Amino acid sequence: AQSVTQPDIHITVSEGASLELRCNYSYGATPYLFWYVQSPGQGLQLLLKYFSGDTLVQGIKGFEAEFKRSQSSFNLRKPSVHWSDAAEYFCAVGVIKGAGNQFYFGTGTSLTVIP
Amino acid sequence: DAGVTQSPTHLIKTRGQQVTLRCSPISGHKSVSWYQQVLGQGPQFIFQYYEKEERGRGNFPDRFSARQFPNYSSELNVNALLLGDSALYLCASSLVRQGASYGYTFGSGTRLTVV
Repeated sequence: AQSVTQPDIHITVSEGASLELRCNYSYGATPYLFWYVQSPGQGLQLLLKYFSGDTLVQGIKGFEAEFKRSQSSFNLRKPSVHWSDAAEYFCAVGVIKGAGNQFYFGTGTSLTVIP
Repeated sequence: DAGVTQSPTHLIKTRGQQVTLRCSPISGHKSVSWYQQVLGQGPQFIFQYYEKEERGRGNFPDRFSARQFPNYSSELNVNALLLGDSALYLCASSLVRQGASYGYTFGSGTRLTVV
């Protein structure tokens, strides 16, 4: 069965510090992997996605993620966090099922940025 | 260009009532999916529609139904509302049927509160 695990429910970092959010997935085939960000009361904004090829993918707002098949992981990183990065972050795996497709989301990691 | 638009933004209903949520996808997007996000959780897949046909259904009771119109807009209906139906309902659209491969664009959601 497909699943996504985000082990860290909440992370606090200082502004300017580096950030890594963890994501592990369970999926039998080649995964389509995504990171989304959600600000309070808002919908989801796509940060980046991985389909194939280079395992290090670049996204918007200075984020990047690395796909590691051997570890079934797709961790999100940012070298220097800004106060505006405070939000909820969701990792998702895209699954094709029959005639359709769907996302399986993790439970999210809430990021707090302190001055 | 307009993004995915959802209406209403907020809604309060009483247990046992019925509710209809609406979604207009990005112009040209033919696939619409619905997700339920309970507070503190990641979104969960409810339905996918493509070219007006249901392409996938998540693990939700028959009280949940949806449809897609010729202009690709969509409605989500929930009958006999329960307190547990209180959630943020997200609509997502994609250009292609296999949006889970390419990524969805999400709307800001409809916040449904059942009292």
